Amino acid sequence: GAVVSQHPSWVICKSGTSVKIECRSLDFQATTMFWYRQFPKQSLMLMATSNEGSKATYEQGVEKDKFLINHASLTLSTLTVTSAHPEDSSFYICSAKRGASVLETQYFGPGTRLLVL
Amino acid sequence: RKEVEQDPGPFNVPEGATVAFNCTYSNSASQSFFWYRQDCRKEPKLLMSVYSSGNEDGRFTAQLNRASQYISLLIRDSKLSDSATYLCVVNRGGADGLTFGKGTHLIIQP
Repeated sequence: GAVVSQHPSWVICKSGTSVKIECRSLDFQATTMFWYRQFPKQSLMLMATSNEGSKATYEQGVEKDKFLINHASLTLSTLTVTSAHPEDSSFYICSAKRGASVLETQYFGPGTRLLVL
Repeated sequence: RKEVEQDPGPFNVPEGATVAFNCTYSNSASQSFFWYRQDCRKEPKLLMSVYSSGNEDGRFTAQLNRASQYISLLIRDSKLSDSATYLCVVNRGGADGLTFGKGTHLIIQP
């Protein structure tokens, strides 16, 4: 099956620092990667859609200057939370899919827990 | 109306029983439908896709009613290991990305 990894699995940082999270598709090339976040007892919410070599598409209400996404290759996307604040503490999960069809299955990474103090 | 709506539960069910979950979605342009399972503090994992004709995978049966915009999941002969949160998920109809329900929490009791 398709495997997606994320690093780090958890991070604790001080308010004002930036945090980078990596998402990798290990055994397939991902045409598209997605970033979601989940607050406690809430549903996963899509933050942005990322295609290799092009700018990410952000969902309404997600600040693109705060959540920087770089999709440098077909197997790697990074999310940088800039100047993190306590309200950014959340569970960040990426997913990746092989093909271009919207019907393609998305494979999820194990998630990154971010705690901003 | 929420995009994907589910009863949050919890559903407390004895081992061996049959349990059914329902879900409704608001975007009539959605084209693909899924049930995911999420264990506490873990990422969601695909349980099964849902097709208009209905589909079965072992003890799990999923049904889709496009006219009513309604999806169901039936679990037969429930096991302790079925305890989890079950997420109803739909694609966004023409746009990439998935819309998740809040999930239904299932607890199987011995």
